Amino acid sequence: EVQVLESGGGLVQPGGSLRLSCAASGFTFSSYAMSWVRQAPGKGLEWVSSISASGGSTDYADSVKGRFTISRDNSKNTLYLQMNSLRAEDTAAYYCAKVGYYFYMDVWGKGTTVTVSS
Amino acid sequence: QTVVTQEPSFSVSPGGTVTLTCGLSSGSVSTSLYPSWYQQTPGQAPRTLIYSTITRSSGVPDRFSGSILGNKAALTITGAQADDESDYYCVLYMDSGIYVFGTGTKVTVL
Repeated sequence: EVQVLESGGGLVQPGGSLRLSCAASGFTFSSYAMSWVRQAPGKGLEWVSSISASGGSTDYADSVKGRFTISRDNSKNTLYLQMNSLRAEDTAAYYCAKVGYYFYMDVWGKGTTVTVSS
Repeated sequence: QTVVTQEPSFSVSPGGTVTLTCGLSSGSVSTSLYPSWYQQTPGQAPRTLIYSTITRSSGVPDRFSGSILGNKAALTITGAQADDESDYYCVLYMDSGIYVFGTGTKVTVL
């Protein structure tokens, strides 16, 4: 079964850092781009970042550019999101998604919750 | 800044048909933006419905269909059922590698 599973969420103070992980299984991880999508409480979905299959190309939403870093370890079938200088507005459920060949979110994880608060 | 617009809400009767749209704040939506559609119920992860404008994701019932209507992408639910009551989001893939989610449409079946 194709699946992705996020971990690493939690409570962090403003200005702090957190690293999210996403473990992939059931597909050839190194052949697919991956993305992070978030959803603030009571709000809509927001694309955060994407990374190419090889890891050589990354893209970010303006709201996180310069603060968040996406990366992957294809030997471990794992995607990461390093989040620095966290703000209250980064509070959200963060979803990992496999990107399908036609530029869409193909498989979604259940999400991990990040709360930024003092 | 690119804004992708969707109707805030729609109400549909059981067995009825509803068409949701996905537009751009400036410009037209075309197949080259690879419109995709997602369904989300409260507290759950999104579910992929449609990709590349018209292609249904695996396991999605054929009452869901995608299209381009005028200058917008569209999702049509034909023969709405109670469990179609959800939030629906479109996504457009921009040339720069950026994805932009629509504002979302809340569909009520009653």
